[in-house]
Amino acid sequence: DVKVTQSSRYLVKRTGEKVFLECVQDMDHENMFWYRQDPGLGLRLIYFSYDVKMKEKGDIPEGYSVSREKKERFSLILESASTNQTSMYLCASSFVASTNEKLFFGSGTQLSVL
Amino acid sequence: QKEVEQNSGPLSVPEGAIASLNCTYSDRVSQSFFWYRQYSGKSPELIMSIYSNGDKEDGRFTAQLNKASQYVSLLIRDSQPSDSATYLCAVRRGGNTGKLIFGQGTTLQVKP
Repeated sequence: DVKVTQSSRYLVKRTGEKVFLECVQDMDHENMFWYRQDPGLGLRLIYFSYDVKMKEKGDIPEGYSVSREKKERFSLILESASTNQTSMYLCASSFVASTNEKLFFGSGTQLSVL
Repeated sequence: QKEVEQNSGPLSVPEGAIASLNCTYSDRVSQSFFWYRQYSGKSPELIMSIYSNGDKEDGRFTAQLNKASQYVSLLIRDSQPSDSATYLCAVRRGGNTGKLIFGQGTTLQVKP
């Protein structure tokens, strides 16, 4: 079974802190994604990566950065956490296939910024 | 205009009925379309993917794609209480390196 592991299930941070959310997948997938999920807004794409050291902005990249130094690991960084970044963060990965794509999600990190 | 739009619901159907979930998208270059199911407190899981116009059936689920009208739908036949969940429509723009964008989800309630 594919496993996408997020480092923390719950995280509480203070305003202004630098926050690292880690995501590791064990299936050699090319694509990795970071989404945040808020009630009534669904999943919103923050950043994605289709290869090592490659990154693309999603719809809401402001206040975030990412790092993908190794294929299996995709990190989301909140440079200076703010209260409006309190959310559920979901990491996902997928392999590249023309007609058979499937996202595998991690269990999520519920981040609270106080 | 949102890139991927769904009616947030809740959509309530009786057990055994057909549930119809709809999704529209704005970008004509979109090529891949997906339906994910998310139970409360859990992560989304893939139900169906569809890439060509027409219908695609898998058990009680049928995905329908109409690229000319820019909509994709999911039909659930013989709905069961265990189908109660939020259904997320996702659309990939361009090829395999394009954005994968989700709608806000439709909450389905199947009443016994």
